[in-house]
Amino acid sequence: QSALTQPPSASGSPGQSVTISCTGTSSDVGAYNHVSWYQQYPGKAPRLIIYEVTRRPSGVPDRFSGFKSGNTASLTVSGLLAEDEADYYCSSHGGFDTLVAFGGGTRLTVL
Amino acid sequence: EVHLLESGGGLVQPGGSLRLSCVASKLSFSNYAMAWVRQAPGKGLEWVASMQNGDASTYYIDSVKGRFTISRDNSKNTLYLQMHSLRGEDTALYYCARDIPGSGWALDYWGQGTLVSVSS
Repeated sequence: QSALTQPPSASGSPGQSVTISCTGTSSDVGAYNHVSWYQQYPGKAPRLIIYEVTRRPSGVPDRFSGFKSGNTASLTVSGLLAEDEADYYCSSHGGFDTLVAFGGGTRLTVL
Repeated sequence: EVHLLESGGGLVQPGGSLRLSCVASKLSFSNYAMAWVRQAPGKGLEWVASMQNGDASTYYIDSVKGRFTISRDNSKNTLYLQMHSLRGEDTALYYCARDIPGSGWALDYWGQGTLVSVSS
């Protein structure tokens, strides 16, 4: 069982916006502004797309945005493109028993 | 462009040992904390271990404490993961990754992974 809770799936049509949630606790997501999001295509290594809740690494489109409220973080993908179809994982600086916690992942389908 | 290349994976019997290596290039390796993250077949990501660059502090997920050891050789730009007493649940693709300083373990560069299979 993953430390952070994500919905297993999400979907949207091209051009639409989709938001993926990531729920933790007051010991991890709620305690630090250290939430990251990763995109992973099948058979490929993860790619960092959001860190420190809202920051985007160089080269990541501004269609990807992050937010946090309390113990829940979220990733919004705006203007969906077919290439956004992938698995998305959140992570957070961990609580008492782990340095880093990952969510179970969300499979984003572009309809 | 930073490049991380893992090696050392393979098929091992339960109870056996393996040492994974991760060679970094185009990276001031000694300036960065590093991590190992694994992904079991068809499953999600799981953080395994991390090592600071400064004081060389190490951290592990509970399930590998006492069995795995993370280490680094800055002169060789190499990160290691020594794994002992391997179990079936350790079967996974093991990635090494670089930490963004001060980010709370956001990992911005990843290798392609090395596969560890534990089976009799």
